[in-house]
Amino acid sequence: DTGVSQDPRHKITKRGQNVTFRCDPISEHNRLYWYRQTLGQGPEFLTYFQNEAQLEKSRLLSDRFSAERPKGSFSTLEIQRTEQGDSAMYLCASSLEYPNTEAFFGQGTRLTVV
Amino acid sequence: GENVEQHPSTLSVQEGDSAVIKCTYSDSASNYFPWYKQELGKRPQLIIDIRSNVGEKKDQRIAVTLNKTAKHFSLHITETQPEDSAVYFCAASTSGTYKYIFGTGTRLKVLA
Repeated sequence: DTGVSQDPRHKITKRGQNVTFRCDPISEHNRLYWYRQTLGQGPEFLTYFQNEAQLEKSRLLSDRFSAERPKGSFSTLEIQRTEQGDSAMYLCASSLEYPNTEAFFGQGTRLTVV
Repeated sequence: GENVEQHPSTLSVQEGDSAVIKCTYSDSASNYFPWYKQELGKRPQLIIDIRSNVGEKKDQRIAVTLNKTAKHFSLHITETQPEDSAVYFCAASTSGTYKYIFGTGTRLKVLA
């Protein structure tokens, strides 16, 4: 599968622990997005990178959340001091640089905070 | 802020009937409108998209219409089949921001 890949697929963690997720976009894609999806809802925008630059962060992204894309390739999303409300599917997507172009999604990381 | 409303939240149709899902967006600068299909436990996948310079686009059994004045767009699926059963999400995007704002989804059930 040469699409967007995410690791791990599932993560169960205790409240208060830190977790880190990884996303590997399609290799030629400059843009990388992180979304959060809860049951019965559409994906909610969290943040977006153009190459290694983080260009936009949602107000949903509290100080406990940080994302990086150090070399403009893979990205990591870290959640510190996890809370039960962080339980969700975290989706990564990537796209080419041109406007109005398809975003390709990964299969997501399902986080459960107990 | 930007918002996309989607209706209905659930839709059941008989196999062979048509299904219509409607979305309304708030940002008049939005100019790209993709539709994604998400099957249970799988990633969202693009099924059709439309840009603001056209009013309608069709791909086999799937069509999307856009009314810029009213700021709404719709997905039409004809001759529905059981494999069309999934959750469908509309989204809107604006050049310059490049993020996609998604609707809350429509769970479509096609009854055999």
